[in-house]
Amino acid sequence: GQQVMQIPQYQHVQEGEDFTTYCNSSTTLSNIQWYKQRPGGHPVFLIQLVKSGEVKKQKRLTFQFGEAKKNSSLHITATQTTDVGTYFCAGRNYQLIWGAGTKLIIKP
Amino acid sequence: DGGITQSPKYLFRKEGQNVTLSCEQNLNHDAMYWYRQDPGQGLRLIYYSQIVNDFQKGDIAEGYSVSREKKESFPLTVTSAQKNPTAFYLCASSMTGFETQYFGPGTRLLVL
Repeated sequence: GQQVMQIPQYQHVQEGEDFTTYCNSSTTLSNIQWYKQRPGGHPVFLIQLVKSGEVKKQKRLTFQFGEAKKNSSLHITATQTTDVGTYFCAGRNYQLIWGAGTKLIIKP
Repeated sequence: DGGITQSPKYLFRKEGQNVTLSCEQNLNHDAMYWYRQDPGQGLRLIYYSQIVNDFQKGDIAEGYSVSREKKESFPLTVTSAQKNPTAFYLCASSMTGFETQYFGPGTRLLVL
């Protein structure tokens, strides 16, 4: 069946370091959505990418959609404690296929 | 105040008992969804509904049932057939099927 693989499962960073999570789909997607879930909270929509090769920025967050519309990435520059949480991608084909999430952990 | 509400926040189930989780939205969205999230895991789709009086099974529908009698409401019943119901249950809605999802605060179900 259709799958969206998301890696890594966890990433430990020092505050101020960068963070990246990657999603790869087994099939071509019509769009990809990104969500953030804070510890103990619910997923909150961040952004949707639709076009091949699209790049969108939200302050320190950069989202990319691959040329083949099968992969995507989220990069956070200079992480802050407010970035802590789990980041999910969800690829849209007929339905939404969710990645397993990448948990961003800030080292004390 | 527009949004999605879920109740209760915590729910305890005894063995052999059916329990119903409430989900209400006032966003005028056509589509609603139920997801299950286990600790440290991603989201798994239980049921979804793209229109009133119609719903479809998701990936893990066994042991669950839903109804969609009103556009605003999409209750989920966890039946006694669901042998491992302890999880975080999230309800979501979107304007149409599988567009941007808006989530409720969730219900944590624990088995006594």
